[in-house]
Amino acid sequence: QQPVQSPQAVILREGEDAVINCSSSKALYSVHWYRQKHGEAPVFLMILLKGGEQKGHEKISASFNEKKQQSSLYLTASQLSYSGTYFCGTEFSNAGGTSYGKLTFGQGTILTVHP
Amino acid sequence: DAGVTQSPTHLIKTRGQQVTLRCSPKSGHDTVSWYQQALGQGPQFIFQYYEEEERQRGNFPDRFSGHQFPNYSSELNVNALLLGDSALYLCASSLEGMYQPQHFGDGTRLSIL
Repeated sequence: QQPVQSPQAVILREGEDAVINCSSSKALYSVHWYRQKHGEAPVFLMILLKGGEQKGHEKISASFNEKKQQSSLYLTASQLSYSGTYFCGTEFSNAGGTSYGKLTFGQGTILTVHP
Repeated sequence: DAGVTQSPTHLIKTRGQQVTLRCSPKSGHDTVSWYQQALGQGPQFIFQYYEEEERQRGNFPDRFSGHQFPNYSSELNVNALLLGDSALYLCASSLEGMYQPQHFGDGTRLSIL
Protein backbone atom coordinates (compact mmCIF):
# COMPACT_ATOMS: atom_id res chain seq x y z
CA GLN A 1 0.00 0.00 0.00
CA GLN A 2 1.32 3.39 -1.04
CA PRO A 3 2.64 5.63 1.77
CA VAL A 4 0.92 8.99 2.17
CA GLN A 5 2.95 12.17 1.96
CA SER A 6 1.94 15.53 3.39
CA PRO A 7 1.71 18.29 2.49
CA GLN A 8 1.13 17.82 -1.26
CA ALA A 9 2.86 21.12 -1.97
CA VAL A 10 4.72 23.80 -0.06
CA ILE A 11 6.00 27.23 -1.08
CA LEU A 12 8.89 28.83 0.80
CA ARG A 13 11.11 31.85 0.63
CA GLU A 14 14.85 31.33 0.84
CA GLY A 15 15.95 30.75 4.41
CA GLU A 16 12.63 29.33 5.61
CA ASP A 17 12.17 25.84 7.01
CA ALA A 18 9.87 23.01 5.92
CA VAL A 19 8.81 19.57 7.10
CA ILE A 20 7.56 16.80 4.81
CA ASN A 21 5.88 13.76 6.31
CA CYS A 22 5.56 10.20 5.03
CA SER A 23 3.08 7.88 6.74
CA SER A 24 2.33 4.21 6.25
CA SER A 25 -0.45 1.92 7.40
CA LYS A 26 1.90 -1.05 7.08
CA ALA A 27 4.96 -1.83 9.19
CA LEU A 28 8.01 -0.18 7.70
CA TYR A 29 11.49 -1.62 7.44
CA SER A 30 13.16 1.47 6.05
CA VAL A 31 12.38 4.79 4.41
CA HIS A 32 14.34 6.24 1.52
CA TRP A 33 14.09 9.93 0.62
CA TYR A 34 14.63 11.27 -2.89
CA ARG A 35 14.42 14.64 -4.62
CA GLN A 36 13.46 14.88 -8.27
CA LYS A 37 13.76 18.02 -10.35
CA HIS A 38 11.63 18.45 -13.44
CA GLY A 39 12.87 16.27 -16.28
CA GLU A 40 15.61 14.70 -14.19
CA ALA A 41 16.20 11.44 -12.34
CA PRO A 42 15.32 11.10 -8.65
CA VAL A 43 18.39 11.82 -6.53
CA PHE A 44 19.00 9.83 -3.36
CA LEU A 45 19.08 11.95 -0.18
CA MET A 46 19.17 9.52 2.72
CA ILE A 47 17.87 6.26 4.12
CA LEU A 48 16.25 5.82 7.51
CA LEU A 49 16.10 2.47 9.26
CA LYS A 50 13.50 1.34 11.77
CA GLY A 51 14.59 2.20 15.27
CA GLY A 52 13.92 5.93 15.28
CA GLU A 53 17.29 6.76 13.80
CA GLN A 54 17.80 10.33 12.66
CA LYS A 55 20.17 11.16 9.87
CA GLY A 56 21.35 14.38 8.36
CA HIS A 57 22.83 15.70 5.18
CA GLU A 58 23.98 19.33 5.42
CA LYS A 59 20.79 21.26 6.18
CA ILE A 60 18.49 18.37 5.37
CA SER A 61 17.74 15.78 8.04
CA ALA A 62 15.14 13.12 8.65
CA SER A 63 13.69 10.97 11.38
CA PHE A 64 11.84 7.67 11.53
CA ASN A 65 9.19 7.06 14.19
CA GLU A 66 8.62 3.31 14.28
CA LYS A 67 5.62 3.54 16.61
CA LYS A 68 3.79 5.87 14.25
CA GLN A 69 5.19 4.20 11.09
CA GLN A 70 6.11 7.67 9.93
CA SER A 71 9.16 9.45 8.65
CA SER A 72 9.70 13.20 8.48
CA LEU A 73 12.11 15.14 6.29
CA TYR A 74 13.36 18.45 7.69
CA LEU A 75 14.70 21.16 5.40
CA THR A 76 16.24 24.08 7.26
CA ALA A 77 17.32 27.45 5.91
CA SER A 78 16.04 26.44 2.46
CA GLN A 79 17.98 27.33 -0.67
CA LEU A 80 16.75 27.81 -4.23
CA SER A 81 18.40 24.50 -5.12
CA TYR A 82 16.03 22.67 -2.75
CA SER A 83 13.14 23.18 -5.17
CA GLY A 84 11.77 19.96 -6.63
CA THR A 85 9.48 17.06 -5.83
CA TYR A 86 10.35 15.03 -2.76
CA PHE A 87 9.45 11.35 -2.64
CA CYS A 88 9.62 8.87 0.17
CA GLY A 89 10.16 5.27 -0.81
CA THR A 90 9.33 2.61 1.73
CA GLU A 91 10.43 -0.96 2.28
CA PHE A 92 7.84 -2.97 4.16
CA SER A 93 8.31 -5.64 6.78
CA ASN A 94 6.46 -8.87 6.18
CA ALA A 95 6.12 -12.28 7.77
CA GLY A 96 8.76 -13.80 5.51
CA GLY A 97 11.32 -11.10 6.23
CA THR A 98 11.37 -7.87 4.29
CA SER A 99 10.65 -6.72 0.81
CA TYR A 100 13.99 -5.01 0.75
CA GLY A 101 14.89 -3.53 -2.55
CA LYS A 102 11.24 -3.11 -3.55
CA LEU A 103 10.51 0.54 -2.90
CA THR A 104 6.91 1.73 -2.72
CA PHE A 105 6.84 5.48 -3.30
CA GLY A 106 4.47 8.12 -2.05
CA GLN A 107 2.76 10.52 -4.41
CA GLY A 108 5.36 13.22 -3.83
CA THR A 109 5.54 16.68 -2.23
CA ILE A 110 6.25 19.63 -4.51
CA LEU A 111 8.60 22.11 -2.84
CA THR A 112 9.08 25.55 -4.37
CA VAL A 113 11.62 27.98 -2.96
CA HIS A 114 11.42 31.60 -4.05
CA PRO A 115 14.16 34.26 -3.67
CA ASP B 1 32.71 7.08 -12.03
CA ALA B 2 29.85 6.47 -14.45
CA GLY B 3 26.39 6.55 -12.98
CA VAL B 4 23.35 4.64 -14.17
CA THR B 5 22.87 5.00 -17.91
CA GLN B 6 19.70 4.26 -19.83
CA SER B 7 18.91 4.08 -23.52
CA PRO B 8 17.19 5.31 -25.50
CA THR B 9 16.26 8.68 -23.99
CA HIS B 10 12.97 8.93 -25.84
CA LEU B 11 10.89 6.45 -27.78
CA ILE B 12 7.64 6.65 -29.71
CA LYS B 13 5.68 3.49 -30.44
CA THR B 14 2.17 2.58 -31.54
CA ARG B 15 -0.34 0.35 -29.79
CA GLY B 16 0.39 -3.36 -30.09
CA GLN B 17 4.10 -2.94 -30.73
CA GLN B 18 6.91 -4.24 -28.55
CA VAL B 19 9.72 -2.25 -26.97
CA THR B 20 13.07 -2.96 -25.29
CA LEU B 21 14.70 -0.51 -22.89
CA ARG B 22 18.27 -0.85 -21.68
CA CYS B 23 20.11 -0.01 -18.49
CA SER B 24 23.74 -0.09 -17.40
CA PRO B 25 24.16 0.05 -13.64
CA LYS B 26 26.50 2.26 -11.68
CA SER B 27 29.99 0.82 -11.48
CA GLY B 28 30.21 -1.76 -8.69
CA HIS B 29 26.46 -2.31 -8.41
CA ASP B 30 25.00 -5.78 -8.99
CA THR B 31 21.26 -5.25 -8.54
CA VAL B 32 18.93 -3.52 -10.98
CA SER B 33 15.36 -2.40 -10.37
CA TRP B 34 12.89 -1.00 -12.89
CA TYR B 35 10.19 1.57 -12.16
CA GLN B 36 7.39 3.17 -14.16
CA GLN B 37 6.64 6.82 -13.44
CA ALA B 38 3.47 8.38 -14.80
CA LEU B 39 3.28 12.16 -15.05
CA GLY B 40 2.79 13.74 -11.62
CA GLN B 41 3.11 10.41 -9.78
CA GLY B 42 5.76 8.63 -7.79
CA PRO B 43 7.72 5.79 -9.39
CA GLN B 44 6.00 2.37 -9.33
CA PHE B 45 8.10 -0.75 -8.84
CA ILE B 46 8.04 -3.15 -11.79
CA PHE B 47 10.66 -5.74 -10.85
CA GLN B 48 14.19 -6.28 -9.56
CA TYR B 49 17.01 -8.42 -10.93
CA TYR B 50 19.92 -9.92 -9.07
CA GLU B 51 22.28 -12.67 -10.27
CA GLU B 52 20.42 -12.70 -13.58
CA GLU B 53 17.13 -13.67 -11.95
CA GLU B 54 13.96 -11.75 -11.20
CA ARG B 55 13.91 -11.52 -7.44
CA GLN B 56 10.88 -9.34 -6.76
CA ARG B 57 7.97 -8.16 -8.86
CA GLY B 58 5.38 -5.43 -8.52
CA ASN B 59 1.78 -5.44 -9.77
CA PHE B 60 2.52 -5.43 -13.46
CA PRO B 61 1.17 -7.87 -16.07
CA ASP B 62 3.26 -10.50 -17.79
CA ARG B 63 3.57 -8.18 -20.79
CA PHE B 64 6.39 -6.64 -18.77
CA SER B 65 9.46 -8.84 -18.70
CA GLY B 66 13.13 -8.33 -18.13
CA HIS B 67 16.56 -9.75 -18.24
CA GLN B 68 19.87 -9.22 -16.51
CA PHE B 69 23.16 -10.04 -18.17
CA PRO B 70 26.38 -11.37 -16.61
CA ASN B 71 27.83 -7.83 -16.65
CA TYR B 72 24.82 -6.71 -14.51
CA SER B 73 23.25 -4.63 -17.26
CA SER B 74 19.55 -5.14 -17.77
CA GLU B 75 16.73 -4.89 -20.27
CA LEU B 76 13.05 -4.18 -19.83
CA ASN B 77 10.72 -5.58 -22.48
CA VAL B 78 7.10 -4.58 -22.90
CA ASN B 79 4.86 -6.46 -25.34
CA ALA B 80 1.48 -5.53 -26.83
CA LEU B 81 1.87 -1.87 -25.90
CA LEU B 82 -1.18 -0.01 -24.61
CA LEU B 83 -1.80 3.72 -24.47
CA GLY B 84 -1.54 3.47 -20.68
CA ASP B 85 2.05 2.29 -20.96
CA SER B 86 3.10 5.83 -21.84
CA ALA B 87 5.38 6.90 -18.99
CA LEU B 88 8.93 7.54 -17.86
CA TYR B 89 10.72 4.25 -17.25
CA LEU B 90 13.43 4.49 -14.63
CA CYS B 91 16.21 2.06 -13.92
CA ALA B 92 17.86 2.06 -10.50
CA SER B 93 20.95 0.17 -9.45
CA SER B 94 22.24 -0.75 -6.02
CA LEU B 95 24.36 -3.21 -4.11
CA GLU B 96 22.59 -6.36 -3.03
CA GLY B 97 21.42 -6.49 0.54
CA MET B 98 19.61 -4.54 3.18
CA TYR B 99 19.65 -0.76 3.59
CA GLN B 100 21.08 -0.17 0.14
CA PRO B 101 20.26 3.14 -1.54
CA GLN B 102 19.11 2.92 -5.13
CA HIS B 103 20.65 5.24 -7.70
CA PHE B 104 18.45 6.18 -10.63
CA GLY B 105 19.21 6.77 -14.26
CA ASP B 106 17.66 9.63 -16.23
CA GLY B 107 15.01 7.32 -17.62
CA THR B 108 13.46 6.53 -20.97
CA ARG B 109 10.40 8.56 -21.95
CA LEU B 110 8.04 6.15 -23.78
CA SER B 111 5.12 7.58 -25.72
CA ILE B 112 2.45 5.32 -27.20
CA LEU B 113 0.37 6.66 -30.08
